[in-house]
Amino acid sequence: DIQMTQSPSYVSASVGDRVTITCRASQGIGTWLAWYQQEPGKAPKLLIYATSVLQSGVPSRFSGSGSGTDFTLTISSLQPQDFATYYCQQAINFPLTFGGGTKVDIK
Amino acid sequence: QISLKESGPTLVKPTQTHTLTCTFSGFSLNTRGAGVGWIRQPPGKALEWLAVIFWDDDKRYSPSLKSRLTITKDTSKNQVFLTMTNMDPVDTATYYCVYRHGSNWYTSWGQGTLVTVSS
Repeated sequence: DIQMTQSPSYVSASVGDRVTITCRASQGIGTWLAWYQQEPGKAPKLLIYATSVLQSGVPSRFSGSGSGTDFTLTISSLQPQDFATYYCQQAINFPLTFGGGTKVDIK
Repeated sequence: QISLKESGPTLVKPTQTHTLTCTFSGFSLNTRGAGVGWIRQPPGKALEWLAVIFWDDDKRYSPSLKSRLTITKDTSKNQVFLTMTNMDPVDTATYYCVYRHGSNWYTSWGQGTLVTVSS
């Protein structure tokens, strides 16, 4: 199985801050990576797929980059509705695997 | 507009067999490239992928749970089923039904159903 490791597991930030979350795969996955946002008590929502493609309706303050084993999710200016947990997922091989999540909390 | 909804028993006793149903609309599981899967999330923990079934009836399972899982579909009723045998308290989780088309990221999710395993 491909292991996905996210860091940090928790980040405390203020509205307007730039936030970067990293995801590392245990082996190369090309650009077969997705990011999901999960608000408390809700189902996850697809944010970004193919490393850097924004899902329809996702604000442009979200961006993704990387390839191979190292990937990042960046929120350029944190908004109140962005306080949530974020997960990366590799989509190249079964079993599909997720990172452990990064909780973005209000400072 | 794609919609998925999970249903099934929410309280299960240890060792029992449990079946979840995903009822969906807005797409056909006869369409090439379509797939419906299951993902679970124990309380306060991360997401875990379980299984997927494709339009052509191909199926893939999590290796760690493969011996306990069976995924099937009824395209005439727009339903997918996940059966898990020998339920254990560690299987307590919210179970999500999810949709994918073409690639293995999930564009649509059900609201989830919390399954509790307890005697």
